Amino acid sequence: DQQVKQNSPSLSVQEGRISILNCDYTNSMFDYFLWYKKYPAEGPTFLISISSIKDKNEDGRFTVFLNKSAKHLSLHIVPSQPGDSAVYFCAASEGGSNYKLTFGKGTLLTVNP
Amino acid sequence: NAGVMQNPRHLVRRRGQEARLRCSPMKGHSHVYWYRQLPEEGLKFMVYLQKENIIDESGMPKERFSAEFPKEGPSILRIQQVVRGDSAAYFCASSPLGASSYEQYFGPGTRLTVT
Repeated sequence: DQQVKQNSPSLSVQEGRISILNCDYTNSMFDYFLWYKKYPAEGPTFLISISSIKDKNEDGRFTVFLNKSAKHLSLHIVPSQPGDSAVYFCAASEGGSNYKLTFGKGTLLTVNP
Repeated sequence: NAGVMQNPRHLVRRRGQEARLRCSPMKGHSHVYWYRQLPEEGLKFMVYLQKENIIDESGMPKERFSAEFPKEGPSILRIQQVVRGDSAAYFCASSPLGASSYEQYFGPGTRLTVT
């Protein structure tokens, strides 16, 4: 049973436009959410996170929105750049002393010049 | 400031052999996590360790897999009598002691191929 779902395997956008990556979760115990970016043959790189007490967190071109009632979060990248092309993973933690991360399957973002 | 280091980066083993994967956490980090990624899948949690202690091994297969993080030296993920289904990318991550957030910092991974 997948607790974190990324329903779009891939997304293609034009350089300069907004990229929106979506993530849904089923476990109501999740308390902390993270986005990671991964290039081929490399490990995931932390991008941005959000605690369940917030509904938005912004860092430069990256903004994460959390809708707890819908169990949905999204990552907005604006403006998108060709170097943003990578696989993006949504991850969640139950928080407290439980540091285990549960990952979605990822979305391949391609930003076209 | 070196990041998380893993070696080897690529490992080929025949069925029935043992695989040993090593992970050195970031300097100052005392929490280590191992994840496995099968093709076309997300990362799956395997085990969470602190120095000389296994904190959570709920994601580890019950047989053939073991992990340790000794007082000195890297963390080791050991797979005995490997089978083809063990072929995957194995990622190690670390985080600092008393982290108030849940960010984990990942190494480049070890790609295990079982022939």
